Amino acid sequence: GAVVSQHPSRVICKSGTSVKIECRSLDFQATTMFWYRQFPKQSLMLMATSNEGSKATYEQGVEKDKFLINHASLTLSTLTVTSAHPEDSSFYICSARDWRGSYEQYFGPGTRLTVT
Amino acid sequence: GQQLNQSPQSMFIQEGEDVSMNCTSSSIFNTWLWYKQDPGEGPVLLIALYKAGELTSNGRLTAQFGITRKDSFLNISASIPSDVGIYFCAGGRTGNTPLVFGKGTRLSVIA
Repeated sequence: GAVVSQHPSRVICKSGTSVKIECRSLDFQATTMFWYRQFPKQSLMLMATSNEGSKATYEQGVEKDKFLINHASLTLSTLTVTSAHPEDSSFYICSARDWRGSYEQYFGPGTRLTVT
Repeated sequence: GQQLNQSPQSMFIQEGEDVSMNCTSSSIFNTWLWYKQDPGEGPVLLIALYKAGELTSNGRLTAQFGITRKDSFLNISASIPSDVGIYFCAGGRTGNTPLVFGKGTRLSVIA
């Protein structure tokens, strides 16, 4: 149980284009999903908290117009990196929390984004 | 944002040895969780602790929720090569607030 998928696992895009990353909870409903960014050999950096049916809450320093988050259903959240630049290249990981209020967050396998 | 103090940052051990790592915080948490991350993958939940003083095992892993609610440790007994990875502690408070993560302990096991 508690499986979270992410798609795509790897993506290479050209500078100036937009990329959408999907995060799905496969066997549970997630009222809250989280998006993280991770640089090499560093910890997880929370970008935003996404609640189903409402606007995402972004962490300080994260541009909400650049990193668009949509949590349209209890099993799907998407992160769109708009007008991507090489500095946006990173490992993006989502996590989901069960709607029943557990503190436990289950992570997806991550998406490696490379912007050329 | 706030991060937990996790130590050690990295460790190199011989296969078969026991490992111990810990996390401390200046504020209390209602839950402590331990995750393991393999290269190029997302973190995987190992153990979740919900009560102060709680001691929980998962195979060769044992974790404890500190009595003050400000710390937790993770022990790995009889390490094996597949234990290699980065271990993260995480503290949780209430409601929909996100977990607070430590900076990770990078474990290397020498066969």
